Amino acid sequence: EIVLTQSPATLSLSPGQRATLSCRASQSVGSYLAWFQQKPGQAPRLLIYDASNRATGIPARFSGSGSGTDFTLTISSLEPEDSAVYYCQQRSTFWTFGQGTKVEIK
Amino acid sequence: EVKLVESGGDSVQPGGSLRLSCGASGFSLTFYAVTWVRQAPGKGLEWVSHISTSSDTIYYADSVRGRFTISRDTAKNSVYLDMSNLRAEDSAVYFCARTTPNLDHWGQGTRVTVSS
Repeated sequence: EIVLTQSPATLSLSPGQRATLSCRASQSVGSYLAWFQQKPGQAPRLLIYDASNRATGIPARFSGSGSGTDFTLTISSLEPEDSAVYYCQQRSTFWTFGQGTKVEIK
Repeated sequence: EVKLVESGGDSVQPGGSLRLSCGASGFSLTFYAVTWVRQAPGKGLEWVSHISTSSDTIYYADSVRGRFTISRDTAKNSVYLDMSNLRAEDSAVYFCARTTPNLDHWGQGTRVTVSS
């Protein structure tokens, strides 16, 4: 099973700041890595697929990068509505999710 | 509007069974694979099962293999998850997701509680 490890567990930043979230895979997943945003009581929403492609309707402040085992989700300028838990997910071998990074807006 | 709706969640005793349904509106589920993902209370996301468009490719997570069965009914534009021999650790919100192969649209989930 491919294990995804996300860091940090929690990120507390002010509006307008840059957020950098990391996801590391236990073995190469190529570019088959996605990022999801989940707010309390809601379903996850696809933000980024195939490492760096923004999903439909996702604001340009969200960007993804990386390949192989190391990936990054960057939120260039935080908005209050970006407060959520962010999960990475691989589809190279079946599907697994990271444990999540909680982004708090001060 | 693309929409998925899960139903069938309930409270059951350990060892019990449930059938979850995933319906779609705004598109035909016939042309898409579907993946079930669950989330235990206060926990992260866990992949459960996947079915291809023609049902010829089906996968299960180790934690549910032999107890859960995924299927689809083209005429009803629906996908099902039959769950048997339920355990306390199966308690979760179950989401179905359209799979393109990215999980691009999700339903709001249906809650399953397994408790005596």
